[in-house]
Amino acid sequence: ILNVEQSPQSLHVQEGDSTNFTCSFPSSNFYALHWYRWETAKSPEALFVMTLNGDEKKKGRISATLNTKEGYSYLYIKGSQPEDSATYLCAFGNTGNQFYFGTGTSLTVIP
Amino acid sequence: NAGVTQTPKFQVLKTGQSMTLQCAQDMNHNSMYWYRQDPGMGLRLIYYSASEGTTDKGEVPNGYNVSRLNKREFSLRLESAAPSQTSVYFCASSERGAQYFYGYTFGSGTRLTVV
Repeated sequence: ILNVEQSPQSLHVQEGDSTNFTCSFPSSNFYALHWYRWETAKSPEALFVMTLNGDEKKKGRISATLNTKEGYSYLYIKGSQPEDSATYLCAFGNTGNQFYFGTGTSLTVIP
Repeated sequence: NAGVTQTPKFQVLKTGQSMTLQCAQDMNHNSMYWYRQDPGMGLRLIYYSASEGTTDKGEVPNGYNVSRLNKREFSLRLESAAPSQTSVYFCASSERGAQYFYGYTFGSGTRLTVV
């Protein structure tokens, strides 16, 4: 069983604050790392897919970095808005054609 | 809207009953997956189908069977439901191999309770 850990488990921030959270994964047999945004009562939606060490991806106010050698990825949200409230999932894909999901970070942005 | 459609959205079963969860995608994806989500745990892969005509076990296959009916449809069957199968089930799809570059497209989930 592969361990993919996300921290913190939950987070409350004020509107306008910037925040970040972590996904840790095994540093061996790395193939890809996904970030998903999962709003309540909806399906997870892919935010970022990263495959190379040092990758940085950005979509609006949200960005992500990847360090495959040490086995972690950070997701950053700049100037959080209430519509950013969601659970953010990461998934580690190895060379065995399988993805392993973390338990997610639940973000609540308080207006 | 294009995507992954799961039915039913909610279901309550008695222990020992059987049921089939249906999943269909209209994106012409080759690969389809069934995951379950339990409190305090990440999504765990039950079964997947890399392409039409093939199915493989994932991390937690016991108590389940699957059928890849055609390219669009991938069903999950519980032959004799147990309380341990109470969970939220998600179907997902991707182009074969493309899950490494584009991620999965998920359905909206089926909440199953076994009493």
